[in-house]
Amino acid sequence: DQQVKQNSPSLSVQEGRISILNCDYTNSMFDYFLWYKKYPAEGPTFLISISSIKDKNEDGRFTVFLNKSAKHLSLHIVPSQPGDSAVYFCAASPARNYGQNFVFGPGTRLSVLP
Amino acid sequence: SAVISQKPSRDICQRGTSLTIQCQVDSQVTMMFWYRQQPGQSLTLIATANQGSEATYESGFVIDKFPISRPNLTFSTLTVSNMSPEDSSIYLCSVDLGETQYFGPGTRLLVL
Repeated sequence: DQQVKQNSPSLSVQEGRISILNCDYTNSMFDYFLWYKKYPAEGPTFLISISSIKDKNEDGRFTVFLNKSAKHLSLHIVPSQPGDSAVYFCAASPARNYGQNFVFGPGTRLSVLP
Repeated sequence: SAVISQKPSRDICQRGTSLTIQCQVDSQVTMMFWYRQQPGQSLTLIATANQGSEATYESGFVIDKFPISRPNLTFSTLTVSNMSPEDSSIYLCSVDLGETQYFGPGTRLLVL
């Protein structure tokens, strides 16, 4: 049973436009969420996080929105750049305790077209 | 942040053999995690490795197949034992530094 879902395996966006990556989860105990970006042959790198006490967190071109009642979060990248082309993983954790591991979604491959 | 290195970066192995993957962190960490990413799939946690105690394995993973060592606070190894083609995957180690988890570059394993 997949607790974290990313239903779009791939997404293509024109450079300069907005990229919206979606993530849904089923476990109501999840309280803390992260987005990772992964290039081929590299480990995932942390992008942005959000805890359940917020509904939005912004960092430069990246904004994460959380809708706890719908168990849904999304990552917005604006404007999208070709260097953003990567696989994006959504990850969730029951609580932000030290050493708490995360459950990962299957990833969405973003292609930003020049 | 943390700088994490893994060795080897990639390997091609024969069925039935074993491979030990090393993970080195540039700072002392209590917990290290080992993940697997099979082709086309997400990151799946194999086990959590604490220094000085036995690793804790997730459902579907057992110590005989994936023995882990954690001799100190900056180093860990994962062994993939008696390999089969189904073990072909990327194996990543990860550490938790409070805000988030940081990942190593991964070890790409192909089992023939």
